[in-house]
Amino acid sequence: AQRVTQPEKLLSVFKGAPVELKCNYSYSGSPELFWYVQYSRQRLQLLLRHISRESIKGFTADLNKGETSFHLKKPFAQEEDSAMYYCAFHKIDQFYFGTGTSLTVIP
Amino acid sequence: NAGVTQTPKFQVLKTGQSMTLQCAQDMNHNSMYWYRQDPGMGLRLIYYSASEGTTDKGEVPNGYNVSRLNKREFSLRLESAAPSQTSVYFCASSAYYEQYFGPGTRLTVT
Repeated sequence: AQRVTQPEKLLSVFKGAPVELKCNYSYSGSPELFWYVQYSRQRLQLLLRHISRESIKGFTADLNKGETSFHLKKPFAQEEDSAMYYCAFHKIDQFYFGTGTSLTVIP
Repeated sequence: NAGVTQTPKFQVLKTGQSMTLQCAQDMNHNSMYWYRQDPGMGLRLIYYSASEGTTDKGEVPNGYNVSRLNKREFSLRLESAAPSQTSVYFCASSAYYEQYFGPGTRLTVT
């Protein structure tokens, strides 16, 4: 079955420290993977997708097919990065979301 | 463009009551979705509609029904609300790979 696993429900880092949010997936095909973010009192929105290989707000995510991972990274966390982050993948007509990681950046 | 709109924003129901959550999008997207968001459970798909006139069950469809009224509108109905349906409900639409979400409806069933 398709599944997305985010092992950390809560993650706290200090401002300026590197941050990595983990995501592992199980899917037999070639996945389309995404990171979505929900800032406080805002809508869930797309942060980045693996196929575009771009950096958004300093975040990057590399698809590792061997480890079936799509971890989200940022070298220097900022207070405005505090939010809920969801890893997701798309298959045919559906999107499958992980359980989310709540990131808190401590000033 | 308003994007994806949802009504109501908040609702309190008694067990057994019924209600319909409304969703509309103005981006001419074919696909629309209903999710529920619960602490520790993430986003779980209730129903989706890949195109006007079609609907399919997602991961947690029990206790819900949907209607794709036209290309713009996709409603979610709770026929007999239960406390287990207390949640935040999100509607979303997509054209290709990016989903656009509504602001959510916070539903409490007592």
